[in-house]
Amino acid sequence: KNQVEQSPQSLIILEGKNCTLQCNYTVSPFSNLRWYKQDTGRGPVSLTIMTFSENTKSNGRYTATLDADTKQSSLHITASQLSDSASYICVVTHASGGSYIPTFGRGTSLIVHP
Amino acid sequence: DGGITQSPKYLFRKEGQNVTLSCEQNLNHDAMYWYRQDPGQGLRLIYYSQIVNDFQKGDIAEGYSVSREKKESFPLTVTSAQKNPTAFYLCASSEPRQIYGYTFGSGTRLTVV
Repeated sequence: KNQVEQSPQSLIILEGKNCTLQCNYTVSPFSNLRWYKQDTGRGPVSLTIMTFSENTKSNGRYTATLDADTKQSSLHITASQLSDSASYICVVTHASGGSYIPTFGRGTSLIVHP
Repeated sequence: DGGITQSPKYLFRKEGQNVTLSCEQNLNHDAMYWYRQDPGQGLRLIYYSQIVNDFQKGDIAEGYSVSREKKESFPLTVTSAQKNPTAFYLCASSEPRQIYGYTFGSGTRLTVV
């Protein structure tokens, strides 16, 4: 069964600190992995997308890594800001019969305190 | 600017009433999707459409209906058969093969009163 597990479920950090969010998946065959940021009451916004051959991708203070062998990804946030408070969702897509099927994680809720 | 627009942002439904959520995109995307989001759960697929006049059931289609008469529009009707409709509903669109991922709307929060 295709699954995406994210940890921790929630995280509280102080402004200016770094943090790392984890995503483990059992999706197969793998097509790509994306991280989305979702502010409360809003739709998710894409942060990064990685294919099988990519190990690291950055978007400003956000850096995503992918280990396709262990089926793990992480999202590292550097020098956190209050605006980073949001839910971060890992989405892994697999290819099936010509269609591309995403599996969503439940998200990690990040709260950044001043 | 290209984007995807959902309306209304908040919607209240009485017991036994059908309501329709609007989703419009000007990204020229072929594929459109409806997801339901409940607290502590991942997004669950309700319906999706790869081309005009064609749509497929997702994982939780019971109690919902859709239409795709125009490429730009993919409205979702929550029928009285949906027994627990209170949730946050997200519409999304994508290029074929989702090469660039989804573009999501800002969501509609539906509450049963």
